[in-house]
Amino acid sequence: QVQLQESGPGLVKPSGTLSLTCAVSGGSISSSNWWSWVRQPPGKGLEWIGEIYHSGSTNYNPSLKSRVTISVDKSKNQFSLKLSSVTAADTAVYYCARFMYDILTGYYMDVWGKGTTVTVSS
Amino acid sequence: EIVMTQSPATLSVSPGERATLSCRASQSVSSNLAWYQQKPGQAPRLLIYGASTRATGIPARFSGSGSGTEFTLTISSLQSEDFAVYYCQQYNNWPPSLTFGGGTKVEIK
Repeated sequence: QVQLQESGPGLVKPSGTLSLTCAVSGGSISSSNWWSWVRQPPGKGLEWIGEIYHSGSTNYNPSLKSRVTISVDKSKNQFSLKLSSVTAADTAVYYCARFMYDILTGYYMDVWGKGTTVTVSS
Repeated sequence: EIVMTQSPATLSVSPGERATLSCRASQSVSSNLAWYQQKPGQAPRLLIYGASTRATGIPARFSGSGSGTEFTLTISSLQSEDFAVYYCQQYNNWPPSLTFGGGTKVEIK
């Protein structure tokens, strides 16, 4: 079964760039799914960051679009998130997830990584 | 952007009782609605997709209903492991965007 694992620095300086990677195991990133990033600030709800298809097509949350880049590395079976010009407001647990995109059954995230905490602080 | 509003923010229920959680969309999302359960320190877990289809391994006491702008998640008889925060989620095809509701915390009464 597919499993996801986030990795990356747990501390990023203000105005810097947050970089995370999600390794996909038990399945291929080139399958007919999209792959998403979701974040959750401490004590708050979930926020969708964006998604990518193995072809490289992306969709981003409009509120973050100017700062977000999601990319895919098929050779390593992983996808990545970069968020630039970070502030304390970007402190959150960051999750990667498999996004099921099916016009018949709906649109939902069925497999999630455990999440990684990123703190923005000097 | 489609805004998802969940109510109540907190629901106090005794074990064995029924819990009814609501999710309202600011415009129609058809049946493109999913529900997730999240326990402290854990990632969200998919419960329901397509508004009413249980995900693999989800007990039958969880059921979803609704379409358009009004949706409901019902837990027929709360078990101790069901006390958690529940989120609804919609996905809009064009322009592509995904939004979550603010969550409903189900706590022990």
